[in-house]
Amino acid sequence: AQSVTQPDIHITVSEGASLELRCNYSYGATPYLFWYVQSPGQGLQLLLKYFSGDTLVQGIKGFEAEFKRSQSSFNLRKPSVHWSDAAEYFCAVGPFSGGYNKLIFGAGTRLAVHP
Amino acid sequence: GAVVSQHPSRVICKSGTSVKIECRSLDFQATTMFWYRQFPKKSLMLMATSNEGSKATYEQGVEKDKFLINHASLTLSTLTVTSAHPEDSSFYICSARVKKREGWNTQYFGPGTRLTVL
Repeated sequence: AQSVTQPDIHITVSEGASLELRCNYSYGATPYLFWYVQSPGQGLQLLLKYFSGDTLVQGIKGFEAEFKRSQSSFNLRKPSVHWSDAAEYFCAVGPFSGGYNKLIFGAGTRLAVHP
Repeated sequence: GAVVSQHPSRVICKSGTSVKIECRSLDFQATTMFWYRQFPKKSLMLMATSNEGSKATYEQGVEKDKFLINHASLTLSTLTVTSAHPEDSSFYICSARVKKREGWNTQYFGPGTRLTVL
């Protein structure tokens, strides 16, 4: 069955510290992978996506993610966190070959940033 | 580009009434729109997939008679919660798939609608 696991429900980091949010997926084919961010009371904003090619993808707001097929992972990273990064982060996987069926979301990781 | 709006952003209604939520793609044509429901501190659950000009496809366990979806044009989809009850209170989010841009699977999300049923 297709699934996405975000092992960390809640993470707290200090402003300026580095960040890594974990995401593991279970999918029978090569997936499309996404990271979204949701601020309180807001919809989801796409941070970055991986379809194919270079396994290290750059996104907005200084975020990057690395696709590791051998580990079925797509971890999100940022070298230096800002207070404005405090939000809920969702990893998602989508079907391959042009299908537009549902995105499967992980349960989310809530990020808190200490000043 | 790729902006999706929802209206209203927040609605409070009495039990037994119906509520309509609109989802619009503002600067692109969306042949497919998706409706999600998000429970407090939980992930998004896909409710249905809405295709322009055809009937929506509902996920297992979602009552199609309760959550009516209409995708009347390439820029508008509506979700009507009929005979709403307190258990329908939730955050409803729509997304739209960009047509013929950036590949198939990028979905752009609206800001969500907070529904509270008293």
